[in-house]
Order: sequence, then structure tokens, then C-alpha cells
Amino acid sequence: GALVYQYPRRTICKSGTSMRMECQAVGFQATSVAWYRQSPQKTFELIALSTVNSAIKYEQNFTQEKFPISHPNLSFSSMTVLNAYLEDRGLYLCGARDDRGNTGQLYFGEGSKLTVL
Amino acid sequence: GEQVEQRPPHLSVREGDSAIIICTYTDSATAYFSWYKQEAGAGLQLLMSVLSNVDRKEEQGLTVLLNKKDKRLSLNLTAAHPGDSAVYFCAVGTGGYKVVFGSGTRLLVSP
Repeated sequence: GALVYQYPRRTICKSGTSMRMECQAVGFQATSVAWYRQSPQKTFELIALSTVNSAIKYEQNFTQEKFPISHPNLSFSSMTVLNAYLEDRGLYLCGARDDRGNTGQLYFGEGSKLTVL
Repeated sequence: GEQVEQRPPHLSVREGDSAIIICTYTDSATAYFSWYKQEAGAGLQLLMSVLSNVDRKEEQGLTVLLNKKDKRLSLNLTAAHPGDSAVYFCAVGTGGYKVVFGSGTRLLVSP
């Protein structure tokens, strides 16, 4: 079956430092990977959508300078939170799309929880 | 762009009762619909997905209804038990790569 693994599950970092998180798709080709953030007590907000061989599209309020994303192949993506501050804390979720079907179903990992001190 | 509203934000039911959560969306091109469960401190667990050509789907005590005319999606937990206590999210997409989530419903099932 299709699975998505995220690493690390939890990170605590000091304010102003950076944190890199990884997303691994297993059992399918992740031609597109979407990164979301769930701030405390909030819903999931799309940060950016990365499609292999295409430019990464960032949503309003999110920039490449702050959240650089790498999507080098069909099974792996990473995102870094640069200069993390309190407002960056939350659960970062990776969703990868199975390209074999046409359902548009995104498979999500368990998330990487970021705590900023 | 797509707007999704989810209600209620909080729902308390007794064990054995039904719990119904509703999402409304705005884009008539929306093609797929999902419900997720998030337990405390955890990520998202996919409960059920339906495509736009499905009006009703039932699995393991869960019923998803899709009313395309009213642009309304519902999740019905029949005979809820305390283990169902969690936050539930609907998520909809147009068949492209962007998914929009509802605001979440915190469900509490008391014994």
C-alpha cells in the first residue's frame, strides 16, 4: 500500500535556528508533494506544492526564502523552516499524491511537530 | 478559490449515540472528498474518501454522504464510543493537487 513517512516526528529548536524535515513516499510515485502547517488549535494551511520537474508553488504568506523545499525524486521531499520563531511552531504535514490513479488522493505522513523555545 | 466551512466546532455525545459532522464547500468542480481523524498529539488518519460520483459510502460504522447540489459533505459516526474522541477534518480537492481542509470538529464521546 501507499505510505508516507515523515522525519523527525518532533523537534525542539531555539528561536532563530532552523529545522529541516523530510518526507518519504513508499509504495508509490510521489509526483507531487504538498506541505501543510497546523498551528496550535488551528486547521491545516497549505504552505507550498512541489511537483517534480516543475517550479514549487508557494501560497500567500509563505516564501521560498523562509520555507525552502527540495523534491529531487519521486519518493523524497524535504522542507526547512529557516530562522524559526514562535509563530512557526506547529505540526508540519507532508502529503504526497499517488500518480497511478486519478483520484487526486493525497497520502499524509504523521507530521513533524516543531516547538520553538 | 475553494472555501470550506465545517461545523460544529465542538460536539459532545454519549457512548452509543450518533455524531454528525458537516462540511460545505463552494467550488462545484470539487472532485474528491476525504475525512480525517486527528488524535491528540498525532498526525492525520484517513477515515474515508469519496469521489464526486458517489453519494453515499459506508465503512465500519462510518457513513459519508455527499450532496453535490447543496455542496455539502457529512460524516456520520453511528454508535460512537470513547475511542472516537478526536478532532475530525474534512478535506476537499478539485482533482488538481491542492487540498483544502475544514476548520475541524472536536468530538468528545463520554461513557
